[in-house]
Amino acid sequence: SQKIEQNSEALNIQEGKTATLTCNYTNYSPAYLQWYRQDPGRGPVFLLLIRENEKEKRKERLKVTFDTTLKQSLFHITASQPADSATYLCALDMYSGGGADGLTFGKGTHLIIQP
Amino acid sequence: EPEVTQTPSHQVTQMGQEVILRCVPISNHLYFYWYRQILGQKVEFLVSFYNNEISEKSEIFDDQFSVERPDGSNFTLKIRSTKLEDSAMYFCASYSAGVGDTQYFGPGTRLTVL
Repeated sequence: SQKIEQNSEALNIQEGKTATLTCNYTNYSPAYLQWYRQDPGRGPVFLLLIRENEKEKRKERLKVTFDTTLKQSLFHITASQPADSATYLCALDMYSGGGADGLTFGKGTHLIIQP
Repeated sequence: EPEVTQTPSHQVTQMGQEVILRCVPISNHLYFYWYRQILGQKVEFLVSFYNNEISEKSEIFDDQFSVERPDGSNFTLKIRSTKLEDSAMYFCASYSAGVGDTQYFGPGTRLTVL
């Protein structure tokens, strides 16, 4: 079955620096990969989606890369701010069928941006 | 901006009781989902629903669970006889199937089974 691993349970970054989060997956060839943000007690909020034929995607201070050979995605937040502190979830479509599939989530990386 | 809404925000029930969790997906969306998240654990897929029937379900979604779209706006998850281990956050999500679109999640219902 598919397995998703995210790089650590907590990541402390100084404000203004770039935060880099890792998502690795095994036994799988997803059609796309997504990143969500989750605050305590709230639902996941969509950030970025990258497709299997895309290597990089950007949105404002966010950048995602997708290496299907390494089975890895990197998620970058540049010029990080304390308001970026949250848990970031990596998610894959479950059956390589694209957007209609249920999503498989990683456990998430808890990011703390220190002032 | 359209959003998925869920009610109630918190439901407390006794073990063995039936609960119905309600969701109003985004109005032009075609696919609907339920996920759950046990405290401190990852978000887990339960079921997807399209064209008034279940598309996919996980092994968590056993005979105790059912879903329904009783009218043009609501999407419900029923748990027939709740167990202690059903205590979790339950998230509804919807998806339009448009190009570049994704699943949008509701704020969740916290279910506590005593």
